[in-house]
Amino acid sequence: KQEVTQIPAALSVPEGENLVLNCSFTDSAIYNLQWFRQDPGKGLTSLLLIQSSQREQTSGRLNASLDKSSGRSTLYIAASQPGDSATYLCAVPYYGNNRLAFGKGNQVVVIP
Amino acid sequence: NAGVTQTPKFQVLKTGQSMTLQCAQDMNHEYMSWYRQDPGMGLRLIHYSVGAGITDQGEVPNGYNVSRSTTEDFPLRLLSAAPSQTSVYFCASTAAGSREKLFFGSGTQLSVL
Repeated sequence: KQEVTQIPAALSVPEGENLVLNCSFTDSAIYNLQWFRQDPGKGLTSLLLIQSSQREQTSGRLNASLDKSSGRSTLYIAASQPGDSATYLCAVPYYGNNRLAFGKGNQVVVIP
Repeated sequence: NAGVTQTPKFQVLKTGQSMTLQCAQDMNHEYMSWYRQDPGMGLRLIHYSVGAGITDQGEVPNGYNVSRSTTEDFPLRLLSAAPSQTSVYFCASTAAGSREKLFFGSGTQLSVL
């Protein structure tokens, strides 16, 4: 089974700093990788989906990179804002691409 | 579009009671799934469906039943609730398995006493 790890579990940064969140997975034969955001008491929102053929994907201040061979993905959030405070989760498919394995998330607090 | 709608938002059950968590989507997605989220355990897949009439087990299926009679609806049934089923439950859907972005409902917080 695919194992997904996100370290650190929690971090705090001052407003304006760039955020770097890491995700690692054990089986590099993935079809794609998704990054999600979860606000307290809410569902998950998909932020970025990187296909296995891509090395990175960008949306506004968000940039996600993927290195399949090393089993790693990184989510960069530029010029962080208090509104970026949330938990960020990554997920990869396994078992024929009909299932997603999730990491436990990086809980981020951006301090004004 | 409403997206993925889950009801109820909160529920308290007694051990042994049964109930159905409802999930509906209006995006004509073929793939739907149920997850539970527990502190320290992350999100775990319970059951999923790749289309009407087709369901399969995920990582933690015991104690839960599902059916998919229509494309829009994917209810999750707890036949005899146990305290271990206290959790937050999320329904999700996508157009094509894990090849497309997954859309989540807002969740059902379930407590079993």
